[in-house]
This record gives sequence, C-alpha cells and structure tokens, in this order.
Amino acid sequence: GPKVLQIPSHQIIDMGQMVTLNCDPVSNHLYFYWYKQILGQQMEFLVNFYNGKVMEKSKLFKDQFSVERPDGSYFTLKIQPTALEDSAVYFCASSSGLGGRDYAEQFFGPGTRLTVL
Amino acid sequence: QQKVQQSPESLIVPEGGMASLNCTFSDRNSQYFWWYRQHSGEGPKALMSIFSNGDKKEGRFTAHLNKASLYVSLHIKDSQPSDSALYFCAVMPNYNVLYFGSGTKLTVEP
Repeated sequence: GPKVLQIPSHQIIDMGQMVTLNCDPVSNHLYFYWYKQILGQQMEFLVNFYNGKVMEKSKLFKDQFSVERPDGSYFTLKIQPTALEDSAVYFCASSSGLGGRDYAEQFFGPGTRLTVL
Repeated sequence: QQKVQQSPESLIVPEGGMASLNCTFSDRNSQYFWWYRQHSGEGPKALMSIFSNGDKKEGRFTAHLNKASLYVSLHIKDSQPSDSALYFCAVMPNYNVLYFGSGTKLTVEP
C-alpha cells in the first residue's frame, strides 16, 4: 500500500539546537500532517499543511516550530530552538483529500524519535 | 478540546476468540471515526472508518457507532496472533484533525 517515509528514524540533539525532521509523503497526496507522541501518552495533532500553507495548528505547535515543503520535496518540521519537552516521537501523515470519506484516510510514517538532552 | 478515551488499556484473547475494544468521545458534533492499528516499530495504519450510526462490517472486523451515546467500538472475530498490536480509536470532528485515544494493546495468544 501507499507508504510515508520519515528520515531520520532517531535523532539525538542538545537542548537549544535546531532540528529538522523530514517526511516523504505518498506521491499524489495533497494534505500533510504532523503528530506528536510522548512516550506512554496519546498521539496529538500538531499541524496540517496544504498548498504551501498551514491550515490548522494546535496549541502544541509552538512559535519555535515551523513546517514547509519546498518545491514538492520533503515535508519538514523544524524546531528552533529545541527544548527538553520536545522529546517525543513525531509522526508525519498525508492524505489525498479531506472530510468524512475514505479518501481522507491519513497514511502515517513510522515516526522519528527525537531525544533532546 | 475533544477527549477520546479507550478501554481496556490491554486485552488478552485466545486465538479464535472475540476481541472487543471500546471508545468514548466528548464532542457531540463529531462526525467521522476511524480505527487505526499500530504494530511495533511502525506508524499507525487505518483499519476501518465508520461515519453512520450502527454497525459496519469488513471481514472479521465490525465497528459500531452510537453518536448519541458518544460511543464507538471495534469487534474482532476469530482473532489471530497477527492481530496482536496497539489499536487506536480516532475521532475527526472536522475535516482535518484526528484526535486519538490512548490505545488498547491487544495480545492474541496461540
């Protein structure tokens, strides 16, 4: 089936540094998402992105976070500067459509485990 | 903010048995509901969706939705060891955002 890839699978950085998480979404999908999962807790929505713009973001999407997809390449989540509480697994997802139909299914990548020291 | 709660946290069923997973949500305006399954080391994968009250059957899997009771469930008939995974209920109150429950860890014992 359709696959979403995420690079790297694990990233360890020092607090205050910048990190970029990369996502290669399903090729014909138009809508992109980032979710955050702290160990042992629920996966929580961060942001979604369409046509070069953020459509919706949650309160977890702090000012230090940004997303982009330059020239149809990777969909990226950048955190600058990082904080200890940013340690989590970040999941990227993509979908071909919206709404209450099966074509709105969000396909998830395997996640990037971010550890901030 | 949408609250999604799942029970039980973990469930062990024998091979060939029935697994029943429960989910409640808080927003009465929620329209769209998904069950996702996640195997260790992988991202969640959609198992099935349900948008109307009642039952929806896909093979061994049956989802049930009761919007008035703020309740959705998933039943797995003839459970197989390969069904062992983490199962998430996800509620989509609008057109974009999925709100996930904390998951039910299902173990099917041979």
